[in-house]
Amino acid sequence: DARVTQTPRHKVTEMGQEVTMRCQPILGHNTVFWYRQTMMQGLELLAYFRNRAPLDDSGMPKDRFSAEMPDATLATLKIQPSEPRDSAVYFCASGLIGQRPNSPLHFGNGTRLTVT
Amino acid sequence: AQSVTQLDSHVSVSEGTPVLLRCNYSSSYSPSLFWYVQHPNKGLQLLLKYTSAATLVKGINGFEAEFKKSETSFHLTKPSAHMSDAAEYFCVVTAYTGNQFYFGTGTSLTVIP
Repeated sequence: DARVTQTPRHKVTEMGQEVTMRCQPILGHNTVFWYRQTMMQGLELLAYFRNRAPLDDSGMPKDRFSAEMPDATLATLKIQPSEPRDSAVYFCASGLIGQRPNSPLHFGNGTRLTVT
Repeated sequence: AQSVTQLDSHVSVSEGTPVLLRCNYSSSYSPSLFWYVQHPNKGLQLLLKYTSAATLVKGINGFEAEFKKSETSFHLTKPSAHMSDAAEYFCVVTAYTGNQFYFGTGTSLTVIP
């Protein structure tokens, strides 16, 4: 079965450090989403890409977060500098979107980030 | 615009009894609807999907859901709960070809032995 792969699974870092999370979407999917999940806020959409182009990143704190898709097999989410409030599980999901009908989203297992 | 409301934040059932997790949606367009399950420390896994074909949709692990346009509902059911069903469940709506997926706030299912 094709899967969305996220690395690392866990990351513990100190406040102020840079954090990079990576995602390999399913081959053939044209859209990649980044979500953040916390107990307090639930699932929040941070950004998404269609055919590697950013379509919406309004959910991201612009001053510290950045998302890119350097190629079709890799999406990255960076936080610089990291803060304790960034502690959360970050999920990547991919899908074939804009077709008739939309495919479901396929999720990775997430990166659990702890910022101390 | 689309939105989804999961009517119960927590549901508790005894093992072997039926499960009902409720979801109501709002959509300006023909919707696609999905149910996902999330076990602890895991990603969201697709249980089933509705995309305007049959209104009764069967999914994995014995779950099914019925799309009722008149009631704008897409409730998830299972005839007999198993301990392994204990998890968080999310109802999701998207427009047929829309960019955005709208998630409910989740229902935590507890299965009592």
